[in-house]
Amino acid sequence: QTVVTQEPSFTVSPGGTVTLTCGLSSGSVSTSYYPSWYQQTPGQAPRTLIYSTNTRSSGVPDRFSGSILGNKAALTITGAQADDESDYYCVLYMGSGNWVFGGGAKLTVL
Amino acid sequence: QVQLVESGGGVVQPGRSLRLSCAASGFTFSSYGMHWVRQAPGKGLEWVAVISYDGSNKYYADSVKGRFTISRDNSKNTLYLQMNSLRAEDTAVYYCAKGLRFLEWLRDAFDIWGQGTMVTVSS
Repeated sequence: QTVVTQEPSFTVSPGGTVTLTCGLSSGSVSTSYYPSWYQQTPGQAPRTLIYSTNTRSSGVPDRFSGSILGNKAALTITGAQADDESDYYCVLYMGSGNWVFGGGAKLTVL
Repeated sequence: QVQLVESGGGVVQPGRSLRLSCAASGFTFSSYGMHWVRQAPGKGLEWVAVISYDGSNKYYADSVKGRFTISRDNSKNTLYLQMNSLRAEDTAVYYCAKGLRFLEWLRDAFDIWGQGTMVTVSS
């Protein structure tokens, strides 16, 4: 069974740039997986950031951007702010009505 | 505004059943696919099930297939998750999420999320 992989943790300085990635245990991520990204702070529901690889959801600041980098989907945060400190999850559409989340990445802004 | 409100969670013994509901408002419910996503305590998110906008198509994660049933009542703007043969590993916060695309549900993303309802399976 294919696993969606994310690095578990990142640290970024305020104002800095960080890139989170989303890969597959076997194979490459492409736009055909319709990667999307979600932000979640403790005790809260997830918030949609990016869908279809690089489309920002309504109200999401443009310092969040999505792309394909090499064989992975990527979420880049440019000019990180303190309230960006959250867990970030990617989701890939695996076909046949099946979505799989990555394990999540915890971002610390320090 | 668009709102999803889950209900029906609680404490249930292993092997028993529970039905979750998700009341939708602020959008044309019958035009969007809907999902259930869960999160075990201290763990990541796990997609559970999807239903097409008209209820004619349903898909499930392997972990719940054969035990859980997703359904919807478009006349009541409500999504359901019938959970049977519950196990300890089903303990989680269950979120309903609206699909993103109008009259699409495959290859879709999650748009708006409810606040979740907690299900605890324990004897």
